[in-house]
Amino acid sequence: DTAVSQTPKYLVTQMGNDKSIKCEQNLGHDTMYWYKQDSKKFLKIMFSYNNKELIINETVPNRFSPKSPDKAHLNLHINSLELGDSAVYFCASSQGGPQHFGDGTRLSIL
Amino acid sequence: SQQGEEDPQALSIQEGENATMNCSYKTSINNLQWYRQNSGRGLVHLILIRSNEREKHSGRLRVTLDTSKKSSSLLITASRAADTASYFCATDANSGYSTLTFGKGTMLLVSP
Repeated sequence: DTAVSQTPKYLVTQMGNDKSIKCEQNLGHDTMYWYKQDSKKFLKIMFSYNNKELIINETVPNRFSPKSPDKAHLNLHINSLELGDSAVYFCASSQGGPQHFGDGTRLSIL
Repeated sequence: SQQGEEDPQALSIQEGENATMNCSYKTSINNLQWYRQNSGRGLVHLILIRSNEREKHSGRLRVTLDTSKKSSSLLITASRAADTASYFCATDANSGYSTLTFGKGTMLLVSP
């Protein structure tokens, strides 16, 4: 009964491809997030959704498009993947307090 | 822009010793949180301290907050090998939706 689950855990793909990462939370939280963690472990917010509405979009290239079909799911679609997109992407959720994180999706671009 | 800066970047100690990590930030905050990240895993919330609090305890963890100096410290007492992980501070500037800005983290290695 994982609280925040992401799939896939690993994603290896070629430059120029389009890929999606899925996230689901069973905590009943209203707010969900996507973070990017680079090779130096720096974690940066990308998007935040509250009750399916976008509330934060932190200067992320428009190749990245989040989609929230309901408040328990926040998926991330990435078009035209570039080498610099290689990172670990984390999904998280919260209900105004501490955030609960998934175990991450390691994206490697060849 | 990056908010928190942890110090030191890496810390190596023996089991049973105490570990202290510091965090500095730049803008006003609503609360400050500390998270742990084990290798290959997601972040796990440890403790939250509000801007009107000065000290908070949770088990072997003690967090202090000095808003005049814009700094916080995390003390882990009687460390164990299982405490080996990266530790991040994160500041939340909003009182509504939680929007965290993370520091670069301190990598803690506890040797048996």
